Amino acid sequence: KQEVTQIPAALSVPEGENLVLNCSFTDSAIYNLQWFRQDPGKGLTSLLLIQSSQREQTSGRLNASLDKSSGRSTLYIAASQPGDSATYLCAVNGNQFYFGTGTSLTVIP
Amino acid sequence: GAVVSQHPSRVICKSGTSVKIECRSLDFQATTMFWYRQFPKQSLMLMATSNEGSKATYEQGVEKDKFLINHASLTLSTLTVTSAHPEDSSFYICSATPFSGNTIYFGEGSWLTVV
Repeated sequence: KQEVTQIPAALSVPEGENLVLNCSFTDSAIYNLQWFRQDPGKGLTSLLLIQSSQREQTSGRLNASLDKSSGRSTLYIAASQPGDSATYLCAVNGNQFYFGTGTSLTVIP
Repeated sequence: GAVVSQHPSRVICKSGTSVKIECRSLDFQATTMFWYRQFPKQSLMLMATSNEGSKATYEQGVEKDKFLINHASLTLSTLTVTSAHPEDSSFYICSATPFSGNTIYFGEGSWLTVV
């Protein structure tokens, strides 16, 4: 069974800092990997989708990479802002979706 | 815009009552939809796979008689939480995949509070 781990569980950084969130998975037979943002009391917002054949995807200040063979993905956030504070989830799509436990990010003004 | 619509986004119900959550694919047909729930500070967990025209497949530990899933059409799946209890309070979210492609689209999620 696929296991998805996210490190760190929580992260607090000052505004303007660049940061990296990590996601690892045990089964490399995946179709794609998605990064989501979840705000308290709100639903999921899809941030980036990386197909298994791709190495990275970029959207604005966000860059996600995928190394399928090693079972790793990273989400890079440049020039963090207080509005980036949220829980970030990675999800691996095999024959179903498996979610990590998330990284709770706090950006301090 | 959203391609999977989930309703309601928030619902409060009394203990012992039932509540229905709808998941609709707006721009595509989906033979399979998935239902997840998330307890506070825990990861999203798959509850069941909803198959159009047939019975849902439930994950281990999920009570099928309590969480009734109906997938009556290619664009609609419903999750009914029957005889709800406070411990059923959670975030429920659905996802769907078009016939073609492997991208999964998520609904906006529903926050259920049982009082």
